[in-house]
Amino acid sequence: DGGITQSPKYLFRKEGQNVTLSCEQNLNHDAMYWYRQDPGQGLRLIYYSQIVNDFQKGDIAEGYSVSREKKESFPLTVTSAQKNPTAFYLCASTAQGPDTQYFGPGTRLTVL
Amino acid sequence: AQSVTQPDIHITVSEGASLELRCNYSYGATPYLFWYVQSPGQGLQLLLKYFSGDTLVQGIKGFEAEFKRSQSSFNLRKPSVHWSDAAEYFCAVGAAGTASKLTFGTGTRLQVTL
Repeated sequence: DGGITQSPKYLFRKEGQNVTLSCEQNLNHDAMYWYRQDPGQGLRLIYYSQIVNDFQKGDIAEGYSVSREKKESFPLTVTSAQKNPTAFYLCASTAQGPDTQYFGPGTRLTVL
Repeated sequence: AQSVTQPDIHITVSEGASLELRCNYSYGATPYLFWYVQSPGQGLQLLLKYFSGDTLVQGIKGFEAEFKRSQSSFNLRKPSVHWSDAAEYFCAVGAAGTASKLTFGTGTRLQVTL
């Protein structure tokens, strides 16, 4: 089955530690995105990538970093510089042409 | 800058009743418009989308939406709600392009009473 996978589903980290969230897609999509979701705030764009080895900051990139070494993978690192990292993180991807974004199941990060 | 407003944070309807969720957008050109649904702790599922053409769009699960340019609206409707429709609904607006940046509304949580 084609789709987007995110792992793990739940992640717990101590304050001050960096943590990397995985996002993999086998849809052969070119563009990939990371969103952060907080209660009552909808989804906010962290980073996005149109092609391999290229990515752009979204609206709330501070404290996060990404890489795009392979077309199918777009990992997100939440660094210790992110002041309030506890949130639900969603990955999405888009094919060429009609710009429908398809979403993964999400990772809930809790920083203790 | 593009923006989306979903004025209703929480809506409760009885099973079998009709539903309309409001969405207003701000965008300088012809927008791409989307409705997504999210069950608790899950990702977002696309219900329907509008790119061009017929302004009444049919989606999955019996949902439809109407694009009204004069009102900058893209309201979601369903004639008869089922208990399984209880979820959070997000409207989003985007621009054409390979890496379309979507702007999402803050969502409307739908509760269905039996």
